[in-house]
Amino acid sequence: GQQVMQIPQYQHVQEGEDFTTYCNSSTTLSNIQWYKQRPGGHPVFLIQLVKSGEVKKQKRLTFQFGEAKKNSSLHITATQTTDVGTYFCAAQGAQKLVFGQGTRLTINP
Amino acid sequence: GAGVSQTPSNKVTEKGKYVELRCDPISGHTALYWYRQSLGQGPEFLIYFQGTGAADDSGLPNDRFFAVRPEGSVSTLKIQRTERGDSAVYLCASSLIGTSSPEQYFGPGTRLTVT
Repeated sequence: GQQVMQIPQYQHVQEGEDFTTYCNSSTTLSNIQWYKQRPGGHPVFLIQLVKSGEVKKQKRLTFQFGEAKKNSSLHITATQTTDVGTYFCAAQGAQKLVFGQGTRLTINP
Repeated sequence: GAGVSQTPSNKVTEKGKYVELRCDPISGHTALYWYRQSLGQGPEFLIYFQGTGAADDSGLPNDRFFAVRPEGSVSTLKIQRTERGDSAVYLCASSLIGTSSPEQYFGPGTRLTVT
């Protein structure tokens, strides 16, 4: 079945440093969604990317979808303590979502 | 408005017992999903309902797992003869289909522990 690989598994940064997580698939994706899960919480939708090469920004967050629609990235500029959590990419197959393993971000204030 | 709710929030059961987990989706959401999340992993798809019918149950691990949504709203995930490997957080999500809003709205989950 469809698999989505996400790296790194963990990332620890100093507050103010940048952070990037990468998502890769061996097959072409119709679209990709990103979710954030705070410690002890549930996944919360951030964004969906659909078009090849698409770049979307939400304040300090930049999301990219690769030209071949097989990879995606999330970049956070100047991290803040509120960014702590696990970030998941999820490929949509029919209606269900196939999640990556997530990147857990911790921040030293 | 109210989000997705799930009950119970925690369930501890003995190996071999039967459990039911309930999900109350956002009002008006026709699509409902069940996922299972183990520690340190992403949510794993179990089953998807469109209305009352299970449109995709390909993620159910075996026939001990069953889910229903008899009136197209509340759903119950049923697990028979529980095993220790069933321990996980069971997440329910709902969404609108056929709109420009693609996101799935997740509930807080039920943490199932099988002893």
